[in-house]
Amino acid sequence: GQQVMQIPQYQHVQEGEDFTTYCNSSTTLSNIQWYKQRPGGHPVFLIQLVKSGEVKKQKRLTFQFGEAKKNSSLHITATQTTDVGTYFCADTTGTASKLTFGTGTRLQVTL
Amino acid sequence: NAGVMQNPRHLVRRRGQEARLRCSPMKGHSHVYWYRQLPEEGLKFMVYLQKENIIDESGMPKERFSAEFPKEGPSILRIQQVVRGDSAAYFCASSPSAVHGELFFGEGSRLTVL
Repeated sequence: GQQVMQIPQYQHVQEGEDFTTYCNSSTTLSNIQWYKQRPGGHPVFLIQLVKSGEVKKQKRLTFQFGEAKKNSSLHITATQTTDVGTYFCADTTGTASKLTFGTGTRLQVTL
Repeated sequence: NAGVMQNPRHLVRRRGQEARLRCSPMKGHSHVYWYRQLPEEGLKFMVYLQKENIIDESGMPKERFSAEFPKEGPSILRIQQVVRGDSAAYFCASSPSAVHGELFFGEGSRLTVL
């Protein structure tokens, strides 16, 4: 079956440093979504990418969809303590809005 | 506009008992999804329902687990004869249509089996 892997599994940065998480699929992705889950919280939608090579920005967050639609990345510039949480990519290929989630990258930010 | 409502937020059961988790989707949403998250792991799809219909249950264990979304009332995820391995957070999500789009998640029900 389809596997969506994310690296790294965990990253610890100092506030102000940049952070990137990579999402790789064993099959071609249809659309990719990104979610953030704070510790003890629930997933919250960040963005959806649809087109090959697409790049979208939200303030300090930059999302990219690979040209071959088999990978995606999320880059955070100048991290803040409010960025702490686990970032998941999710593939929408398949039935309706059913999502296959990646393994997640847990981000810890310290002062 | 209330979000996705799940209850109970925390549930403790002894092995062999039944657990019932409820989910009320956002107003206007007729598509409901259940996901399970084991500690320190990602979310695994369990089941996708529309009103009175199970659309995709490919992620549901074959035994002890069932789900429904009746015409009236919340969606229910039922786990019979719980075992310790069922301890997890169960998240419900809803969407307004079947077109690929954002899922709105509830705060989850955290099941602990003693």
